[in-house]
Amino acid sequence: GENVEQHPSTLSVQEGDSAVIKCTYSDSASNYFPWYKQELGKRPQLIIDIRSNVGEKKDQRIAVTLNKTAKHFSLHITETQPEDSAVYFCAASNAYSGAGSYQLTFGKGTKLSVIP
Amino acid sequence: DTAVSQTPKYLVTQMGNDKSIKCEQNLGHDTMYWYKQDSKKFLKIMFSYNNKELIINETVPNRFSPKSPDKAHLNLHINSLELGDSAVYFCASSPGRAETQYFGPGTRLLVL
Repeated sequence: GENVEQHPSTLSVQEGDSAVIKCTYSDSASNYFPWYKQELGKRPQLIIDIRSNVGEKKDQRIAVTLNKTAKHFSLHITETQPEDSAVYFCAASNAYSGAGSYQLTFGKGTKLSVIP
Repeated sequence: DTAVSQTPKYLVTQMGNDKSIKCEQNLGHDTMYWYKQDSKKFLKIMFSYNNKELIINETVPNRFSPKSPDKAHLNLHINSLELGDSAVYFCASSPGRAETQYFGPGTRLLVL
């Protein structure tokens, strides 16, 4: 099955600096890579995703890059703000798992702390 | 409000008891999931149903039994609760073959 490794497990940055979180995956058939943000005591929420036919995607201060050859993808947050402090999860899914559904395999999460 | 909802939000119970958690989604999605998030924050898939059919059944003690009465509901029943079952349980749904999953608010289970 798929295996997703995520690094680092914790990350502290000064407000205004950039943060980068990296993930690698094992299944070359994986074709969908979402990122979730989980604030303390809240549910994981999708913040950005990328499909395997695209190398980069941006949404304001966040961007995701994908290198299919190396089987890794990264989340980039620029101009970090205190409200970016949360646990971030990467995930990968293959095209099909059972009858008409994708199984997401999550990384173990990165706790990002933005220091004011 | 369109959403994934769970009840109860908090559940405190004694070892050995049986409890249920309910999940409902009104997003019209075909697929629903149960995840367990332990104190280390790792999200572990437990079960998944697609149109009421069980399609993912990870290595989970058979004390855990999911049930999907219709595609908008997925319940989780836990028998003979143990201390190690203490965790946050998240329900999620996705629009069938699309990959994006939407999570419920979580049920915080504490077994004493």
